[in-house]
Amino acid sequence: EAGVAQSPRYKIIEKRQSVAFWCNPISGHATLYWYQQILGQGPKLLIQFQNNGVVDDSQLPKDRFSAERLKGVDSTLKIQPAKLEDSAVYLCASSTRTSGSRETQYFGPGTRLLVL
Amino acid sequence: AQTVTQSQPEMSVQEAETVTLSCTYDTSESDYYLFWYKQPPSRQMILVIRQEAYKQQNATENRFSVNFQKAAKSFSLKISDSQLGDAAMYFCASGTSGTYKYIFGTGTRLKVLA
Repeated sequence: EAGVAQSPRYKIIEKRQSVAFWCNPISGHATLYWYQQILGQGPKLLIQFQNNGVVDDSQLPKDRFSAERLKGVDSTLKIQPAKLEDSAVYLCASSTRTSGSRETQYFGPGTRLLVL
Repeated sequence: AQTVTQSQPEMSVQEAETVTLSCTYDTSESDYYLFWYKQPPSRQMILVIRQEAYKQQNATENRFSVNFQKAAKSFSLKISDSQLGDAAMYFCASGTSGTYKYIFGTGTRLKVLA
């Protein structure tokens, strides 16, 4: 079974530029998550999709971050314009969400973003 | 609100020895579950072990086991016969059945000494 795929793996941009990250979840996984992991911290949830609908985006800085999941499969996360404090690893995860007690999130390799 | 606390930023263990990583959590939910994830330097998070809160029996996966103390809201990870490949960041996380959201701790970096 193929895992969660993410691209690019690394990105360096200057502040005020825009950037987009792509995620392809495990086949059949209805739920998709984007996390931000700042160096030295644990992952923080940015947005959660169930199929192509948003379940939770309460911690997404909506003035600069946007995300979509067209057709309920792939997802993109965009930052426009980027700030220095956006430097982090952006992790994508997916889960089947078939029942609460067996739900487990599987993570992709992440995209490391450096904003100069 | 859920919180997860890992009070050990870094731990070291000799190869073949046993090490325990600590985690405490707080939640008002009754139906929740707990995880330990491993994140090697390559950055891909890998599930190590999970524990449903309603289960009294501690989860075990080969050399990895947990000590789940529900009343104390403690969830520690024991790694037996430590191997060089166990060196990584270990994150404790909690999730609830209703929202499927995970809350992560700040992580413990485990070093394995040859």
